[in-house]
Amino acid sequence: QVQLQESGPGLVQPSQTLSLTCTVSGGSISSGGYYWSWIRQPPGKGLEWIGYIYYSGNTYYNPSLKSRVTISVDTSKNQFSLKLNSVTAADTAVYYCALDTSGYSRSDYWGQGTLVTVSS
Amino acid sequence: QSALTQPASVSGSPGQSITISCTGTSSDVGGYNYVSWYQQHPGKAPKLMIYEVSNRPSGVSNRFSGSKSGNTASLTISGLQAEDEADYYCSSYTSSSALLLFGGGTKLTVL
Repeated sequence: QVQLQESGPGLVQPSQTLSLTCTVSGGSISSGGYYWSWIRQPPGKGLEWIGYIYYSGNTYYNPSLKSRVTISVDTSKNQFSLKLNSVTAADTAVYYCALDTSGYSRSDYWGQGTLVTVSS
Repeated sequence: QSALTQPASVSGSPGQSITISCTGTSSDVGGYNYVSWYQQHPGKAPKLMIYEVSNRPSGVSNRFSGSKSGNTASLTISGLQAEDEADYYCSSYTSSSALLLFGGGTKLTVL
């Protein structure tokens, strides 16, 4: 059973970079065919797909965030990461990491989510 | 890219059936059989209930079913139970550069 756990600062200052890590257990992040995703949810609002990284390292981003987002993988630690730069209050959200087993929004496994607040 | 369109809320009594719609375009819902449905209880992570329009992951009750007609997908919950009260989100692959879209979510109330 794959488990995912997000970690990172809960408070980020405006204009700074939001950095989160997702640690994967119960399976190898190098397993073929899987997409390691980041999805966010502003308080009281709906879900927004941020992007994902294929096991081979190819990345795919939501165009609305593409200029500010980087997703990367560290296979030695079985982790993948999210960096979102130049953040504003609009980036305040619960950030989820997830495993999409098809790349077509079949996210079978999710982390518990972590709230990141952008504020000075 | 606009989100997929869902009703803000639906309600039903225990034992009844309800249907939640998800309307998109021919570039997403109507063009591909890659529609998923997620259930989210307050303070919890979403849970995959349906993928590829009508497939249920292992462990999901057969009271949940999905279908699609044209540019609109639907999630039907039969034999409504109190535990089904939650927010439901549809999601679809899109041929646009956005790749994956979510609906705005529907709050299901079990009366």
